[in-house]
Amino acid sequence: DQQVKQNSPSLSVQEGRISILNCDYTNSMFDYFLWYKKYPAEGPTFLISISSIKDKNEDGRFTVFLNKSAKHLSLHIVPSQPGDSAVYFCAASALKTSYDKVIFGPGTSLSVIP
Amino acid sequence: KAGVTQTPRYLIKTRGQQVTLSCSPISGHRSVSWYQQTPGQGLQFLFEYFSETQRNKGNFPGRFSGRQFSNSRSEMNVSTLELGDSALYLCASSPLAGGPAKNIQYFGAGTRLSVL
Repeated sequence: DQQVKQNSPSLSVQEGRISILNCDYTNSMFDYFLWYKKYPAEGPTFLISISSIKDKNEDGRFTVFLNKSAKHLSLHIVPSQPGDSAVYFCAASALKTSYDKVIFGPGTSLSVIP
Repeated sequence: KAGVTQTPRYLIKTRGQQVTLSCSPISGHRSVSWYQQTPGQGLQFLFEYFSETQRNKGNFPGRFSGRQFSNSRSEMNVSTLELGDSALYLCASSPLAGGPAKNIQYFGAGTRLSVL
């Protein structure tokens, strides 16, 4: 049973437009969420995170939105650039519990078309 | 600071053999986690080590084991390899500074294991 879901395996976006990557989770104990980006032949790299006490966190072109009631978060990339083409993993953890693991989703492959 | 180093990068084994993968974390990082990545499954958590002790374990059979040394370097061992063990194995280290920062992990490039 996947606790973190990314229902879109792939996404194509035109350069300069907005990319929206979605993530859903099932465990209401999760209170800290992260996005990682992975290029081929490299390990994932941390991109941005959000705590459950917030509903938005912004870092340059990247913004993460959290909707706790819907157990949904999304990553917005504006404007999208060809270098953003990668696999994006959503991850969740429960800091306030002893469930001290980070659970990753299956990933969404983003292609930004020049 | 040097990043997380995993060796070897590629490995080909046959069914029934065993394999050992190595991971050197970022200097000063005491937590090391291992993940298995297969297409469509994302990163499946294998186990985490901290100060030479296994702190967490994922839902993998006992054929998968690991250890951590006093210098925080870690090894992962898979015995009696099966075809389904073919995957990218990723190691990640964390400063475990407490609070949210401990969940920000730094990954190595991985070891690509192919079981024939």
